[in-house]
Amino acid sequence: GQQLNQSPQSMFIQEGEDVSMNCTSSSIFNTWLWYKQDPGEGPVLLIALYKAGELTSNGRLTAQFGITRKDSFLNISASIPSDVGIYFCAGQLSRNQFYFGTGTSLTVIP
Amino acid sequence: GAGVSQSPSNKVTEKGKDVELRCDPISGHTALYWYRQSLGQGLEFLIYFQGNSAPDKSGLPSDRFSAERTGGSVSTLTIQRTQQEDSAVYLCASSFPRGFISGANVLTFGAGSRLTVL
Repeated sequence: GQQLNQSPQSMFIQEGEDVSMNCTSSSIFNTWLWYKQDPGEGPVLLIALYKAGELTSNGRLTAQFGITRKDSFLNISASIPSDVGIYFCAGQLSRNQFYFGTGTSLTVIP
Repeated sequence: GAGVSQSPSNKVTEKGKDVELRCDPISGHTALYWYRQSLGQGLEFLIYFQGNSAPDKSGLPSDRFSAERTGGSVSTLTIQRTQQEDSAVYLCASSFPRGFISGANVLTFGAGSRLTVL
């Protein structure tokens, strides 16, 4: 199947710092999604991107759909302890084909 | 329902036993997906149902895995003769596909069923 390269694999940051993570692919995607997963829970959608070049914000989160349609990034500004979790990118290739990155584990140190 | 509901939340079984995992999608969602998440790994696609169409089973890892969706709603994932490598969290997601327009095709996940095979 399609491979999404998500980096970094893990991050340890101080509270208040900004965070940046990204996903790249060899394939062109029609939609990029960013999810967050808390321990013991399923992934929850943070941001959905539908057009190349689109920049979308959700509170302290900002994500962009790369111009080439092969990459996307997620930024978190002024991190807080509740930002802890695993962040996944997902690319949609067709109506039913979603491919997920391997996740970025975020630890925020108070 | 308001969200995707999965049961059981935790299942411990012995190697060789069969297990059934249930998913109740969001009411009105026609698409239903099963994913497997092994420890520290991403989400591995297993199977996809869309309305009355034949399911996409291309992600099922072996013939011990099967799934059905009754009445276009509730789905059951069955693993026969479980093996230790089947231990994982099994996630179900549903969506209402509407093409590539804003707000469409977003997958909503359940909390998962954690399977441990001893």
